[in-house]
Amino acid sequence: NAGVMQNPRHLVRRRGQEARLRCSPMKGHSHVYWYRQLPEEGLKFMVYLQKENIIDESGMPKERFSAEFPKEGPSILRIQQVVRGDSAAYFCASSPPSTGAILNEQFFGPGTRLTVL
Amino acid sequence: AQTVTQSQPEMSVQEAETVTLSCTYDTSESNYYLFWYKQPPSRQMILVIRQEAYKQQNATENRFSVNFQKAAKSFSLKISDSQLGDTAMYFCAFMKRRKTSGSRLTFGEGTQLTVNP
Repeated sequence: NAGVMQNPRHLVRRRGQEARLRCSPMKGHSHVYWYRQLPEEGLKFMVYLQKENIIDESGMPKERFSAEFPKEGPSILRIQQVVRGDSAAYFCASSPPSTGAILNEQFFGPGTRLTVL
Repeated sequence: AQTVTQSQPEMSVQEAETVTLSCTYDTSESNYYLFWYKQPPSRQMILVIRQEAYKQQNATENRFSVNFQKAAKSFSLKISDSQLGDTAMYFCAFMKRRKTSGSRLTFGEGTQLTVNP
């Protein structure tokens, strides 16, 4: 069972361009979370999605950022018109469907390091 | 809202010795989980140990153990017989317990641990 996959691992964009980050959850996992890690900081929650639904986007900036998790295919985090402050590592985590009392552990991908020039 | 505080930005320890990393948190929730994650230079997030808040017994995983003080909202990590491979950033994290959906992780700012030969 492959782990959480993220691509690309490194992404360089110029200011004003668009960045698309992809996350393929582990097999059987229907919950996806995106976190951002700015340099020298901890991870900050951005958005939580289930298949075709955004459950919690309270950590995501209101402008320029969007996320989706379609019925088929990976979850996508999209950043439009990137600025230098978007430079960070973006981590995706996945977990299996909720099963009551059992802990839904989140398994992390290797992250995508976005650099905005 | 939950907050997680790690008051030690950096720590160092000699190989084979014991070190304790501190973490405090603030929440009004009664059912939750606490975690310690390790982030080595590869930046991969690796789960070290977890604790269910309703369990009084402290979790242990080989050389890693926690001291969970629920009333004090304290959750420290003890690493025994430190090894060079333990050198990493360590993050304390909080997660609400939900029966029917997933839940975000709230991370502290991290403690950079260096194990010296």
